[in-house]
Amino acid sequence: QQQVKQSPQSLIVQKGGISIINCAYENTAFDYFPWYQQFPGKGPALLIAIRPDVSEKKEGRFTISFNKSAKQFSLHIMDSQPGDSATYFCAATYNQGGKLIFGQGTELSVKP
Amino acid sequence: GAGVSQSPSNKVTEKGKDVELRCDPISGHTALYWYRQSLGQGLEFLIYFQGNSAPDKSGLPSDRFSAERTGGSVSTLTIQRTQQEDSAVYLCASSPALGGRTTQYFGPGTRLLVL
Repeated sequence: QQQVKQSPQSLIVQKGGISIINCAYENTAFDYFPWYQQFPGKGPALLIAIRPDVSEKKEGRFTISFNKSAKQFSLHIMDSQPGDSATYFCAATYNQGGKLIFGQGTELSVKP
Repeated sequence: GAGVSQSPSNKVTEKGKDVELRCDPISGHTALYWYRQSLGQGLEFLIYFQGNSAPDKSGLPSDRFSAERTGGSVSTLTIQRTQQEDSAVYLCASSPALGGRTTQYFGPGTRLLVL
């Protein structure tokens, strides 16, 4: 059972463009939604996260939009740069325990 | 400061052999997590530790998989009688406390190939 569904699988964006990655979840018990960025040969690293009582969170060029009623959330990368080329994972977790349930990942390529 | 380290970085083994994968968490981090990353299954949770105890082992795929943590620090993931489907990158993460809203810091992973 795929508890967190992520799309698209891959994304190509021109430098300066907006990258948008979408996720949907099923379990309403999830109460924290982080995004992780992973470069080849490295472990994932936390990029930005949101709680379900907030509809939007922005950190620099990265914004999470959260729609609790639709059980969907998305990552927007503004002014995308070649250095943003990486694999992005959305995740969901419960405050108790904290195991991360990941989406399938999106491989982002930003062309110069 | 030092991040999470894992060893070996790469491991090639023959089907049926046992392997041990090691994780050294960030000093002082009480929570430790193991995940597996494979092409077909993505990133999957395996087990987590709070101190030396493992409250949640629900992600371990079979009884061939086990893990322990000693001294509230180093953890070892053991896979017995390895199978080809065990080939994956095994990732360890640690966090200062248990809980979903606490950042997990990942190591670089151990890439396991079972021939």
